[in-house]
This record gives sequence, structure tokens and C-alpha cells, in this order.
Amino acid sequence: EIVMTQSPATLSVSPGERATLSCRASQSVSSSLGWYQQKPGQAPRLLIYDASTRATGIPARFSGSGSGTEFTLTISSLQSEDFAVYFCQQYNNWWTFGQGTKVEIK
Amino acid sequence: QVQLVQSGAEVQKPGASVKVSCKASGYTFTSYSIHWVRQAPGQRLEWMGWINTGNGNTKYSQKFQGRVTVTSDTSASTAYMELSSLRSEDTAVYYCTRDNSWANYWGQGTLVTVSS
Repeated sequence: EIVMTQSPATLSVSPGERATLSCRASQSVSSSLGWYQQKPGQAPRLLIYDASTRATGIPARFSGSGSGTEFTLTISSLQSEDFAVYFCQQYNNWWTFGQGTKVEIK
Repeated sequence: QVQLVQSGAEVQKPGASVKVSCKASGYTFTSYSIHWVRQAPGQRLEWMGWINTGNGNTKYSQKFQGRVTVTSDTSASTAYMELSSLRSEDTAVYYCTRDNSWANYWGQGTLVTVSS
């Protein structure tokens, strides 16, 4: 099983600032990597697929990069609605998910 | 628009089974596979299994092999996930998702509580 590890566990950011989240795979997943946002009581929402492609309707302030084992999600200027938990997911070999990064208001 | 609507919350006793349904609409059901994922309180999302709704083929996570069964009824555009021999650690929200390699559509989630 491919293990996905995210860092940091919690990120404290002020509105308008940039947030950088990391995701590492235990073995190469090529570009088969997605990022999701989850708010309390809601299902996850797809933000990025294929490591760097924004899903339909996702604002341009969300961007993804990386390939192989190292990936990054960047939120260029945090808005109030962006404070949430973010998960990465690999789909190169079935599915596994990271443990999540909570982005909280500083 | 694509929708996945899941059945309601369940409370089950240890050792029992639970069957969660996921009704799809807004697309051709047999054109996309369905995955089942669960999220225990404070835990990461956990992949449980998958069904090819076109031919009925299935694949299960080794962790749940022997306890989980995923089926589908194409006439009802509905997928099902049954988990048996429930224990307290199975208390979680269970989600169905539409497979596009990634998961771009999710059901609303079904809370399954296992308690004596």
C-alpha cells in the first residue's frame, strides 16, 4: 500500500497570506495525485487532479505542483472560506489518502 | 447535474452487518465505477472497495477483505456497500464516490454507529 504523508498537521495563516501544504508518497505515484478540501460535516471537495489541474469551478488561487513522490498545494491568498482541512490522495495504485492538514486562522 | 444520494444514518450492534446504498443520477450509471471510502472520527479517509458498474467486477482493500461486499443494481442506478462483523472501530462516516480516477463527485455520507 502506498502511504501518503502530509505536513504540517496544522498551518496557522492570516487571511490574505499564502499557504503551502506538502504531501509525500512512500513510492512514486507519477502525477496521479489529487487534493481535496473538507469542511466540518461535509464531504470532501475536489480541488486539484493530476497533481496540477484545477477541477471545475476551483478559483485560480489554488495551485498544485509536483510529481513522483513530492507534491505541493499552494493557496496564494487565503480567503475566509479557505479555512478547512486539506487531503491529498494518490490514485496510481487504487486509492490512499493523506492524514490531512488543517488550515486555521492565525 | 450529477448526484449521489446515500441512505440514512444507522446504529448497529457489534457483530451485526450494515448495508449502505448510493443512488446515482445525472449521468449514465454504467459509464463510471463507484468507490467506497470511510472516515472514522479524527482519522484519515480510508479506501474500502470499488465496483465496475458496467460489468460488476469488484476490488477490495486488503484491510476489509472478507468483511465488505460492494454490489450494484443497474436498473436502479444504485450501488451498495455491506460491511459485516461490525465492531466499535467501524463507527465512521461512509461515502460513495464516482470514479474518474480521482473522486469528483461524492455522496453526502452515511454515519454508521456501532454500539451495544
